[in-house]
Amino acid sequence: TQLLEQSPQFLSIQEGENLTVYCNSSSVFSSLQWYRQEPGEGPVLLVTVVTGGEVKKLKRLTFQFGDARKDSSLHITAAQPGDTGLYLCAAVYNFNKFYFGSGTKLNVKP
Amino acid sequence: DTEVTQTPKHLVMGMTNKKSLKCEQHMGHRAMYWYKQKAKKPPELMFVYSYEKLSINESVPSRFSPECPNSSLLNLHLHALQPEDSALYLCASSQDVPGNSNQPQHFGDGTRLSIL
Repeated sequence: TQLLEQSPQFLSIQEGENLTVYCNSSSVFSSLQWYRQEPGEGPVLLVTVVTGGEVKKLKRLTFQFGDARKDSSLHITAAQPGDTGLYLCAAVYNFNKFYFGSGTKLNVKP
Repeated sequence: DTEVTQTPKHLVMGMTNKKSLKCEQHMGHRAMYWYKQKAKKPPELMFVYSYEKLSINESVPSRFSPECPNSSLLNLHLHALQPEDSALYLCASSQDVPGNSNQPQHFGDGTRLSIL
């Protein structure tokens, strides 16, 4: 059983479309992070959300932390081929352990 | 360019070989991590070092042996690996261990390991 379940697992869309990725858990987290990993590289931090209900924007990316701090979403507006990659949510559990979600592989076609 | 440097980028070894993966960071971070990532899967935590001491071992087989010679370096010694150990091995660092803080982890680009 995954601590953090992401959906969808795979997403293939045309350039210009909008999309939303979800990260869900039955556990409550003090904070949650989103990373993007491109082929041949390590994950890179996109954002950290801390407060329940918090919304953060990073250009065309909008991140939201659920009110109960159990889930989060990532919305991309007008996706571009450069957005292609593996999107990972991540959180700390058992104080010191950093755990990644199951991942969403996004492919944006020109 | 990543601030966490991993060498080598690629490694092919036989099951009887002994090799080491190296990781270096000069950001003054006091926590360092090893992750294993299989294709199309998320990274899985293997080891955590805090202030040069091993604080977490996620039940990793003894054929993987981590070492932290100083606060900037992290090694992963490999011996008698199995074909299923073929994966991308990622090193990461953070200012301190996660705890209740929101510190990001900085990742290297990984070592692609293939066991013949």
